[in-house]
Amino acid sequence: DAKTTQPNSMESNEEEPVHLPCNHSTISGTDYIHWYRQLPSQGPEYVIHGLTSNVNNRMASLAIAEDRKSSTLILHRATLRDAAVYYCILRVNNAGNMLTFGGGTRLMVKP
Amino acid sequence: DAGVIQSPRHEVTEMGQEVTLRCKPISGHDYLFWYRQTMMRGLELLIYFNNNVPIDDSGMPEDRFSAKMPNASFSTLKIQPSEPRDSAVYFCASSTLDGRRLTDTQYFGPGTRLTVL
Repeated sequence: DAKTTQPNSMESNEEEPVHLPCNHSTISGTDYIHWYRQLPSQGPEYVIHGLTSNVNNRMASLAIAEDRKSSTLILHRATLRDAAVYYCILRVNNAGNMLTFGGGTRLMVKP
Repeated sequence: DAGVIQSPRHEVTEMGQEVTLRCKPISGHDYLFWYRQTMMRGLELLIYFNNNVPIDDSGMPEDRFSAKMPNASFSTLKIQPSEPRDSAVYFCASSTLDGRRLTDTQYFGPGTRLTVL
């Protein structure tokens, strides 16, 4: 499976935008880029996913590089509740494909 | 929907005892996953089911671990006998393919924190 590389941790100030990077230089044409996050003492939750085009939803935006070898999860205004570990995961978008979690990026939000 | 339900939320047991973790997936979901999370190894998949049938159990650490899904609304993960190194948080997740969004988002339960003394 193609691997992803993320910084171990990042810090942000509350109400400022946050850009969480992910490198995936060995991504294949059928891999979708998924982001999940895990809030403290909770199970992971889906954030967003995309293939080639940038994507927006109510939680975040996903910016995908033209060569697809990297992507960036954008939180437009970080809140204290966004403090979590964010996982960037590559997977083929079929039902039942398992999620392979790496180390993720621990986002700390300062008030 | 109540989401994925797991029980118990916390379990403390002594080495050698049998432990059974329970999961109720979201109604209508046809995939069920069991994950384990530890500080050392992070989140790792143990086993997953499709329509109650085990599809991939290559992540199950050893024969002491077994999982069943007798029907679409219930699954168990059993450890017998338990050992201190089994201490971890065990998550259950369920999913189904959303034809409109072309994805199968996995929905995770709150987890069971297992401590084996």
